[in-house]
Amino acid sequence: DAKTTQPPSMDCAEGRAANLPCNHSTISGNEYVYWYRQIHSQGPQYIIHGLKNNETNEMASLIITEDRKSSTLILPHATLRDTAVYYCIVRAPNFGNEKLTFGTGTRLTIIP
Amino acid sequence: DAGITQSPRYKITETGRQVTLMCHQTWSHSYMFWYRQDLGHGLRLIYYSAAADITDKGEVPDGYVVSRSKTENFPLTLESATRSQTSVYFCASIQGLAGVRATDTQYFGPGTRLTVL
Repeated sequence: DAKTTQPPSMDCAEGRAANLPCNHSTISGNEYVYWYRQIHSQGPQYIIHGLKNNETNEMASLIITEDRKSSTLILPHATLRDTAVYYCIVRAPNFGNEKLTFGTGTRLTIIP
Repeated sequence: DAGITQSPRYKITETGRQVTLMCHQTWSHSYMFWYRQDLGHGLRLIYYSAAADITDKGEVPDGYVVSRSKTENFPLTLESATRSQTSVYFCASIQGLAGVRATDTQYFGPGTRLTVL
């Protein structure tokens, strides 16, 4: 059973904020939300992760709802290089749980 | 900074041949992984390894063999390649999770595109 649900595709205009939603209604209390992205033909790249507080780094912001059942990845000023498939993954940081389970993600296309 | 590398980057082989894909990481990460990616699917885990000489099956292990005699290397072997194994293969590594060390992220190699004719 998939632990996360994401829209299959989204478009965003260049220079605008891209907001990518993710539903994880069955998330457990010790599970983190991770975001990775995969630019065409490359290996996936880590973006950000969080537990319950909003997080920001040089790449993106992560907004997690108070009930933790959904989250939004925000790319504040999307560029053409942000065109990629974005994966939302939930995982508990427990010993023996290092592997990632990828869904089909959201294909984000940045429009010039 | 080499990071994690895969070789070859592209490989064409024939049905029934043995093929080995190489993965090498320079960080001394404990964990290493092999994924495959096909059109219409996300990444699917084939095998993983927690340390040298410790390996375990993932979601789609059939037809593959792995070994890990050294921490930095994690080769994936297709003992008798089939057309269904045509795919892009990604290797990844992570230091390892312990307690609340959720900051450990998984790093991926550039991939090997394998075609089985």
